[in-house]
Amino acid sequence: QKEVEQNSGPLSVPEGAIASLNCTYSDRGSQSFFWYRQYSGKSPELIMSIYSNGDKEDGRFTAQLNKASQYVSLLIRDSQPSDSATYLCAVNAGLTGGGNKLTFGTGTQLKVEL
Amino acid sequence: NAGVTQTPKFQVLKTGQSMTLQCAQDMNHNSMYWYRQDPGMGLRLIYYSASEGTTDKGEVPNGYNVSRLNKREFSLRLESAAPSQTSVYFCASNPYGGRLSNQPQHFGDGTRLSIL
Repeated sequence: QKEVEQNSGPLSVPEGAIASLNCTYSDRGSQSFFWYRQYSGKSPELIMSIYSNGDKEDGRFTAQLNKASQYVSLLIRDSQPSDSATYLCAVNAGLTGGGNKLTFGTGTQLKVEL
Repeated sequence: NAGVTQTPKFQVLKTGQSMTLQCAQDMNHNSMYWYRQDPGMGLRLIYYSASEGTTDKGEVPNGYNVSRLNKREFSLRLESAAPSQTSVYFCASNPYGGRLSNQPQHFGDGTRLSIL
C-alpha cells in the first residue's frame, strides 16, 4: 500500500512567522510531488510542484524534496491569516504507480494567528 | 476559462435512488479522475480515465460506475445510493496520459452529496 503521511495538525503560527509543513511517502519510485491548498468548503488548489531534489521557491512558498529520505516539505514565509487552510501533499508514483494517479495525504491544517 | 466544471454542486438523495454526477473540462486534458473526500480520510480515488475510451478502478470503486463520454466529459454514477456514499465528490483532470506524466491535477469545485 503506497502511503503519504502528514501530521493532521492544527499547526498554529503567529502572523509573519515561517510555517513548516512536512510530508513523508512510502514509494521510492515516486517522481512528482505536489502541494495543494484547500480552504474550508472549497476545492484543492495547486500551489507548488517539485520534481527533483532540493529547493524550489515561488514567492513566499518554498518546496523542499529529499528523495533519499522520502520527505517533502513546504515552507511558507511571512505567514498571513489568509494562509489559514488545509495543505495537502500529493505524490505521483510514476513507473510503479500505474499511470497518472496521485496519492494524497490527509492534509495538515494550518492556522495563522493575529 | 472555466477549467473543470462539476454539476450539480449540491444534492440530497434517498437511500436506493440513483444519480449521475457530471464533470467536464475545457483544457483539452487527456486524463480525468473522480475522488471522494471524507473527514479524516483525505482524497480517495474512485475511478480514473487515463485517456478517452479507457477507465480504471481506483482505491474505492465499489458502488460506483463511470463513463468517459468523450475527451471533455467524465461522469460518475451511483446506481443505488447508500448513506456511506455521503461525501464531497471532486472531479480532476491533467494534461497527459501515459505512465510518466508529471503534470499536476486540476480540480473542479466539487459536488456535496447527502444520502438519507
